[in-house]
Amino acid sequence: DVVMTQSPLSLPVTLGQPASISCRSSQSLVYSDGNTYLNWFQQRPGQSPRRLIYKVSNRDSGVPDRFSGSGSGTDFTLKISRVEAEDVGIYYCMQGTHWPQTFGQGTKVEIK
Amino acid sequence: EVQLVESGGGLVQPGGSLRLSCAASGFTFGSYSMNWVRQAPGKGLEWISYISSSSSTIYYADSVKGRFTISRDNAKNSLYLQMTSLRADDTAVYYCARDSGTARTGSNYWGQGTLVTVSS
Repeated sequence: DVVMTQSPLSLPVTLGQPASISCRSSQSLVYSDGNTYLNWFQQRPGQSPRRLIYKVSNRDSGVPDRFSGSGSGTDFTLKISRVEAEDVGIYYCMQGTHWPQTFGQGTKVEIK
Repeated sequence: EVQLVESGGGLVQPGGSLRLSCAASGFTFGSYSMNWVRQAPGKGLEWISYISSSSSTIYYADSVKGRFTISRDNAKNSLYLQMTSLRADDTAVYYCARDSGTARTGSNYWGQGTLVTVSS
């Protein structure tokens, strides 16, 4: 299985400051159709996961534009330009290129 | 509005069985592939099973293969997970999740989850 490694696992951030989460895969996530199936999910405390970004950099409907995704091959990044209180939670990267789909361990974002 | 409502969780003894259900509404259920994803207490997300829209393609994680069976009834807008030979490490919140069009982009709709506790 493809191993997804996130860092850091804990990210204390000051409100209004940027945050960045790294996700690395054990294999290239470029699929035979040319797409890279790296997706990001947010799980707020006590809630179900919610997809934020799909195929590296495409924001889901309703996701604030302070969230952005980038990367290629095996290295990917989720950035929050200015952290707000509602961004507290755990963020997971997930790859769908190789079966089975696998998730990273999660990065806990909290307010300092 | 898309809604996914899981049910059927509860306390079960090791070696026991349980059947989870997921009632879908707000979309054409038979047009979308579906997944079960679980989350052990305080742990991360683990995909466990996938079923295509017509049930022609089914996948399982190695951790549940041979013990869990995914199925769906498009006429009833329902997804199921039959779990047998349950173990303590199957204890988790089980989420029903709908794919957005391809399973590779992950699920863009999730239920609220149902808790399964395996303990004597």
